Order: sequence, then C-alpha cells, then structure tokens
Amino acid sequence: EPEVTQTPSHQVTQMGQEVILRCVPISNHLYFYWYRQILGQKVEFLVSFYNNEISEKSEIFDDQFSVERPDGSNFTLKIRSTKLEDSAMYFCASSEQGVAYGYTFGSGTRLTVV
Amino acid sequence: QKEVEQNSGPLSVPEGAIASLNCTYSDRVSQSFFWYRQYSGKSPELIMSIYSNGDKEDGRFTAQLNKASQYVSLLIRDSQPSDSATYLCAVNKGSNQGGKLIFGQGTELSVKP
Repeated sequence: EPEVTQTPSHQVTQMGQEVILRCVPISNHLYFYWYRQILGQKVEFLVSFYNNEISEKSEIFDDQFSVERPDGSNFTLKIRSTKLEDSAMYFCASSEQGVAYGYTFGSGTRLTVV
Repeated sequence: QKEVEQNSGPLSVPEGAIASLNCTYSDRVSQSFFWYRQYSGKSPELIMSIYSNGDKEDGRFTAQLNKASQYVSLLIRDSQPSDSATYLCAVNKGSNQGGKLIFGQGTELSVKP
C-alpha cells in the first residue's frame, strides 16, 4: 500500500537552529499538508499546499515556518529559528482529491528542541 | 465552544463488547467527517469516513452521522485488545479541496481481555 514517508523520524536541535523536516507524499497525490501534535495534545493544522502554493495556513504557521516542494517528490517544512515550544511530533499528510476524502499521514518526525 | 469535541476518556470496555465513541462539532457547513485511530507514539490512521446522515458500516466499525444535531459517532463491535488506541474525530473546514481537517482531542479506548 502506498505510504507517505517522513525523515528523519527523530530530530534533536538546539534552540535558535534551523531545521528541515522532509516528506515524500504518495506519488499521485496533489494536496499536501503539515500538522503537528504536541505531546498529550490534539493534532493541529499548520499548512496546506496545492499547485505549488500555500492554500491555507494556521496562526501557528508564522514567519518562522516555510514549506517547499523543491522537486516532483519531496515536500519540506522548514523552521528557521526553533523555539522550545516547537517541540512536537510533525506529521506530513497527502490527499489525492483534497480534504473531503481524508488524508494519509506519514509516520511523523519527533522534533525535540533543547 | 471547541470546534470538535470528544470525551477524552479513558473508555474501558471488556473484550467482545461494543465500544461507543462520540463527537460533536460546531461548524454547521462541514460536509466530511472522519474517524482516525492513533496508537501511542504513532501517526493517525484513517478508519472511517462519512458524508451523509445515517449509518455507514465497514467490518466491525459503524460510523453514524446526524448533521442536525452536529453529532458523529463510531461504534466498534466485538472489541479486541488490539483496538486499544486513541480515536480521533476529524471534521473538514473550508472547501472540499483546499480546506483542512480539524481534530478533536481524541478518546482513549482500552479493551480489557
């Protein structure tokens, strides 16, 4: 069964450092998303991406965050200057036809900011 | 009012029993509703989607939707210990293509052998 692949599975970074989280969506999917889940809390929407541009972003997704689809397969989330409160599990998701049909989530990257 | 609300649990049922999980949502224009299962430390896994009022069955799972009451539920028949997980209710917000899913806090289910 097709999978959404995320790397790395766990990243530890120092506060103030830049991190890039990587995702390979399912190949025929057109809609891409990033969500995060702080330990013990709910899954929160960060950003959606379609046709090489951001469709929607949440209040969490401020100027420190950016997304990119640098080639035909990768979808990345960059955090420019990490804060302690950025520590969370970050999930990439993709969908063939959009949110109405549900997402397939990747296995996640656990980001720990120290 | 929270956009998607679930009882956090834990809900404990014996093996073989029916587990009933409930969810309410606030946005009346939402059209798509989902149940995800999340094992501890893992990513959410889609188990059911429902779009119309009434029941939708898939194996041991039945999703129920009542748009007038803004209520979604998930029934798990013949519960197994492997069903022990957190169940997330998710509702779409925005357009069917460009919108997003809003998740509830999740209900922790524990199935005792």
